[in-house]
Amino acid sequence: GQSLEQPSEVTAVEGAIVQINCTYQTSGFYGLSWYQQHDGGAPTFLSYNGLDGLEETGRFSSFLSRSDSYGYLLLQELQMKDSASYFCAVGDRDDKIIFGKGTRLHILP
Amino acid sequence: EADIYQTPRYLVIGTGKKITLECSQTMGHDKMYWYQQDPGMELHLIHYSYGVNSTEKGDLSSESTVSRIRTEHFPLTLESARPSHTSQYLCASSSVVGYEQGTDTQYFGPGTRLTVL
Repeated sequence: GQSLEQPSEVTAVEGAIVQINCTYQTSGFYGLSWYQQHDGGAPTFLSYNGLDGLEETGRFSSFLSRSDSYGYLLLQELQMKDSASYFCAVGDRDDKIIFGKGTRLHILP
Repeated sequence: EADIYQTPRYLVIGTGKKITLECSQTMGHDKMYWYQQDPGMELHLIHYSYGVNSTEKGDLSSESTVSRIRTEHFPLTLESARPSHTSQYLCASSSVVGYEQGTDTQYFGPGTRLTVL
């Protein structure tokens, strides 16, 4: 079957760094993406990794290791507005996007 | 800036009614998707489309149908609404981009929050 595993919840302190891991098992692989969703809102795209390595976009970075079927999202200098759910997603061979169940990030002041 | 729209934003209806949720995008994207999501929960793929006259079922497609007559329009129809259909429905679109070039980024609409009494 196809599955993406990520922690259900993570808690961190404002100003700190947090890493959200994602492991995947899919029938094909066409990139690992990360999406952010605030309560009551729609998911919005954060980052994409098609090849191994680190991609950086401001305070957010994302990493991929295809040999380990593993990636992570790194959030630095956490702000209260970063409190949200974060979903990893993989493109599979049927050209669909498979989403993980989401990680709820709680930020403490 | 994503240009994908959903109507209605909120809908409360009685059991047994037939409803159509509208989704339109002005980005010329080939791929479109419908997801169902309960608050704080995962996204379930209901239907998707690669282009005009193409529709495929997702993991949670029973009791609903879609059509793709025009590139920009991808409506979802529930033939007979039930309380179990109460949820948020999210429409998304993406362009066909090879992963070497960048992203197959999904752009989501604001969602339709459906309540079936």
